[in-house]
Amino acid sequence: QSALTQPASVSGSPGQSITISCTGTSSDVGNYNLVSWYQQHPGTAPKLMISEGSKRPSGVSNRFSGSKSGNTASLTISGLQAEDEADYYCCSYAGSLTWVFGGGTKLTVL
Amino acid sequence: QVQLVESGGGVVQPGRSLRLSCAASGFTFSLYGMHWVRQAPGKELQWVAVISYDGSNIHYAESVKGRFTISRDNSKNTLYLQMNSLRPEDTAVYYCAKKKEEGGVEAPPDYWGQGTLVTVSS
Repeated sequence: QSALTQPASVSGSPGQSITISCTGTSSDVGNYNLVSWYQQHPGTAPKLMISEGSKRPSGVSNRFSGSKSGNTASLTISGLQAEDEADYYCCSYAGSLTWVFGGGTKLTVL
Repeated sequence: QVQLVESGGGVVQPGRSLRLSCAASGFTFSLYGMHWVRQAPGKELQWVAVISYDGSNIHYAESVKGRFTISRDNSKNTLYLQMNSLRPEDTAVYYCAKKKEEGGVEAPPDYWGQGTLVTVSS
């Protein structure tokens, strides 16, 4: 159960768009349409932002979108805002009732 | 609204045991599977275990298999994590989280509790 690979950090200016990648294998990301993305502000619990690759839960801004190509999933945040500064984690089903998270990406809004 | 409240964390010596609880409210607990996820200080999230809505399907991460036991009491709307043979590397905030979909469908966590800190140290 190796962790999914995410960039350690990304940054962008307010109003810009950024994309965070999440690379797995054909046993997890590439084999299931069950990638989710979480936002975590310091000292708080994670919040679900995207599920099943591209579905936004009710209440999540449409500035957040998800996609997948092969073994790599991506989270795109458009129109960056200061409150988007947080850690972001991807998560994928890995078969046999197991799940795996990514190493996390720290987003800095410049 | 969905509410998950973990308890039972604390400081424990290596090799000892601890039981975490997660009290659920705001949804029909007996219809949803549940996850435990942990996060070591300053580190990434790590999936720990999952239990189906009726307790019939359970699975663990390799790092805790044979030492941790997930269980639930649907009559009390409570999820548990029994942790035995604790190691320093088990030190983390432990979160319980509700599965996004009801029934037996595989689904990621959606709502999370605030977490409880477990520190394993002599």
